Amino acid sequence: EPEVTQTPSHQVTQMGQEVILRCVPISNHLYFYWYRQILGQKVEFLVSFYNNEISEKSEIFDDQFSVERPDGSNFTLKIRSTKLEDSAMYFCASSEAPSGGTQNTDTQYFGPGTRLTVL
Amino acid sequence: DQQVKQNSPSLSVQEGRISILNCDYTNSMFDYFLWYKKYPAEGPTFLISISSIKDKNEDGRFTVFLNKSAKHLSLHIVPSQPGDSAVYFCAASARAVIFQGAQKLVFGQGTRLTINP
Repeated sequence: EPEVTQTPSHQVTQMGQEVILRCVPISNHLYFYWYRQILGQKVEFLVSFYNNEISEKSEIFDDQFSVERPDGSNFTLKIRSTKLEDSAMYFCASSEAPSGGTQNTDTQYFGPGTRLTVL
Repeated sequence: DQQVKQNSPSLSVQEGRISILNCDYTNSMFDYFLWYKKYPAEGPTFLISISSIKDKNEDGRFTVFLNKSAKHLSLHIVPSQPGDSAVYFCAASARAVIFQGAQKLVFGQGTRLTINP
């Protein structure tokens, strides 16, 4: 069964450093998302991406964050200058293009996550 | 932001019995609801979803009920099995108001379900 993959599984970095989190969405999906979950808190939406541009972003997704689809398979989240409060699990998700509005195409499938620890 | 709420942080159920997990929402624009299951150190796994045009959707042991007037949905698992022990998240989206279908999901806090043998 196709699945979303993410690398690395765990990233430790120093405050102020740049990190890039990588995701390989399901191959026929065209909509991509990043979410994060701070320990003990809800899963929160960061950004959605379609047709090589951001569709929607949350207040969390400030100028320190960026997303890119550098090739036909990868989807990346970059944090330019990490802060202590960026420590969280970061989840990538993808969904199919909508077709006829059937609900299955809207289902988002999540990767296993990257645990980011900022020291 | 409490648009989606799961008021029970934990639930313990005997194996073979029914597990009922509840979720409330406040945003009347939500029209699509999902349940995800999450094990430690893994991503959320999609379980079942329901559109607001329905009030029930069933898939094997899992049934989701939607009460739009009460802005409430529930997930029933019957019979409960030890492998069902996990954290269950309710999520919602507003498909109708989102352009191009890249809709965000709004999650509840999760309910930790423990199935006792």
